[in-house]
Amino acid sequence: EAGVAQSPRYKIIEKRQSVAFWCNPISGHATLYWYQQILGQGPKLLIQFQNNGVVDDSQLPKDRFSAERLKGVDSTLKIQPAKLEDSAVYLCASSIIPGTGELFFGEGSRLTVL
Amino acid sequence: KQEVTQIPAALSVPEGENLVLNCSFTDSAIYNLQWFRQDPGKGLTSLLLIQSSQREQTSGRLNASLDKSSGRSTLYIAASQPGDSATYLCAVISSGSARQLTFGSGTQLTVLP
Repeated sequence: EAGVAQSPRYKIIEKRQSVAFWCNPISGHATLYWYQQILGQGPKLLIQFQNNGVVDDSQLPKDRFSAERLKGVDSTLKIQPAKLEDSAVYLCASSIIPGTGELFFGEGSRLTVL
Repeated sequence: KQEVTQIPAALSVPEGENLVLNCSFTDSAIYNLQWFRQDPGKGLTSLLLIQSSQREQTSGRLNASLDKSSGRSTLYIAASQPGDSATYLCAVISSGSARQLTFGSGTQLTVLP
């Protein structure tokens, strides 16, 4: 069974530039999550989708971050414009249904903002 | 708002030792608790999941316990090996409709050969 795929694995940009990350969840998983993990900290939920609808985006900085999940499968997370404090690993996870705890994570996209 | 704390932040032990990692959470209204392992530059791998009605779960050399009333969980690793070196993260899923997962900051474990 293929796992959660993310790209790019690494991205270096200058502040005020934009960046986009892509996630392809495990086939059949209705729930998709984006987490931000700053070095030395645990992951922090940015947004949770159920199919193509948003369940929770309360911690998403909406002035610069946006995310979509068209057709309830792949998802993209965009940052525009980036700030230095956005340097982190962006993790995508999926699960068949929310709340089961059976989350499967991708390897993450590491962003460095200079 | 749920807060999850893990102590210690880092731990170094010689190979073969039994060890305990601690996790505490502020809101006991949880659906379940999960322990993850994270290797450097990698994503998270689920180790054990404990439902709120359970007291413990075991998988090989790993045993996780849950005391919901006191807001605590422990991960016990028996006969540690250098391959166990990683960061261990505790996460709780709230009982709310969104079933949000809240993570601790992790314990970085180094097992010395």
